[in-house]
Amino acid sequence: ELKVEQNPLFLSMQEGKNYTIYCNYSTTSDRLYWYRQDPGKSLESLFVLLSNGAVKQEGRLMASLDTKARLSTLHITAAVHDLSATYFCAVDVIYESSGDKLTFGTGTRLAVRP
Amino acid sequence: GAGVSQSPRYKVAKRGQDVALRCDPISGHVSLFWYQQALGQGPEFLTYFQNEAQLDKSGLPSDRFFAERPEGSVSTLKIQRTQQEDSAVYLCASSALTLGEQFFGPGTRLTVL
Repeated sequence: ELKVEQNPLFLSMQEGKNYTIYCNYSTTSDRLYWYRQDPGKSLESLFVLLSNGAVKQEGRLMASLDTKARLSTLHITAAVHDLSATYFCAVDVIYESSGDKLTFGTGTRLAVRP
Repeated sequence: GAGVSQSPRYKVAKRGQDVALRCDPISGHVSLFWYQQALGQGPEFLTYFQNEAQLDKSGLPSDRFFAERPEGSVSTLKIQRTQQEDSAVYLCASSALTLGEQFFGPGTRLTVL
């Protein structure tokens, strides 16, 4: 059974600081996603990582994937209050004859304080 | 174009009632998924359709849960004899093809009293 673990579960950061969220998964994946969720809202796709060594950046967020270590990271640079949200990683695996499905991590609740 | 829409956005049911949740995927999207998100948790897979065929229902928690997509577009998730543990946000997602990016709807928040 595929397991996806994130840490930390909760992160309180000061504005301007850097930090990294980690996502470990237990079996081979076909692709990995990072999502953002604001309270009471749905999921917003941030990044999709397809292959080993993939790195993507958007603004103050950068995501990377190491398929050999089964590890993805989401790095936050110089945090600002607008980044406060819950971040999920999700592993997409294709199953023969039954399509694909996402398995989500537990989420990291990020609070950026002045 | 329009994204994934879901209705109702909020549903309050008394324990034992039946509920039906609707999902309108992005037009032309072949794949449709239902996920359940309990408070403070990540979404969990419930079921998957490719067109009208339900290829995976391994995540449905009990036989009280039933999903259909009869014409390969709109889908309905039905929960019979609701229990308090069914309280959650139910998210629908669609994608254009297998392993394609899934686009999520706003969800239906179900509260069972």
